[in-house]
Amino acid sequence: GAGVSQSPRYKVAKRGQDVALRCDPISGHVSLFWYQQALGQGPEFLTYFQNEAQLDKSGLPSDRFFAERPEGSVSTLKIQRTQQEDSAVYLCASSSLTDTQYFGPGTRLTVL
Amino acid sequence: AQKITQTQPGMFVQEKEAVTLDCTYDTSDQSYGLFWYKQPSSGEMIFLIYQGSYDEQNATEGRYSLNFQKARKSANLVISASQLGDSAMYFCAAPVRGSNYKLTFGKGTLLTVNP
Repeated sequence: GAGVSQSPRYKVAKRGQDVALRCDPISGHVSLFWYQQALGQGPEFLTYFQNEAQLDKSGLPSDRFFAERPEGSVSTLKIQRTQQEDSAVYLCASSSLTDTQYFGPGTRLTVL
Repeated sequence: AQKITQTQPGMFVQEKEAVTLDCTYDTSDQSYGLFWYKQPSSGEMIFLIYQGSYDEQNATEGRYSLNFQKARKSANLVISASQLGDSAMYFCAAPVRGSNYKLTFGKGTLLTVNP
């Protein structure tokens, strides 16, 4: 079946612009995760949804970062007033509750 | 919190040979799991193999196997019969202490398979 998909794959933003990154999880997966991966590092946890409920947002680096999953399926990660330090790959993963997390291809964000 | 250490920034292996990628972890949890992911240059994190702390046998999945040594807190990934397509970053990961969903990752090992 189809895996996790993310769009866009690449995004270039000028400093100060808002961006929205989309994640389509594997059909039927209850849990959805966002991770941020800086160049040369492993991914770092941002936030976790179980269905439409955001149960953990402890990894969001600032109040400029906002995630939603209004119908318990597709999720959007929004970054307001982007800064250069926001440049990274943003990975989305989904799983059946606490089962193995399956990742999408990521969105590479470059803030100029 | 759970800490994952991968001490090999880069590894080289000849095609068709076996290679071991190291991973050590630091946890006081009694029950935990360990994951290995592969990340090719395309960027996608591909799940390879999982080991539960109470699993009696080392996990195997095709050419991938885990050398799990609980007392030493190590979970090394063994790739047998390396192929050119195995060239990628490899990450070891585990849930953060007290969480069964929030993964923490090591810094990764870049594996290069030479023809």
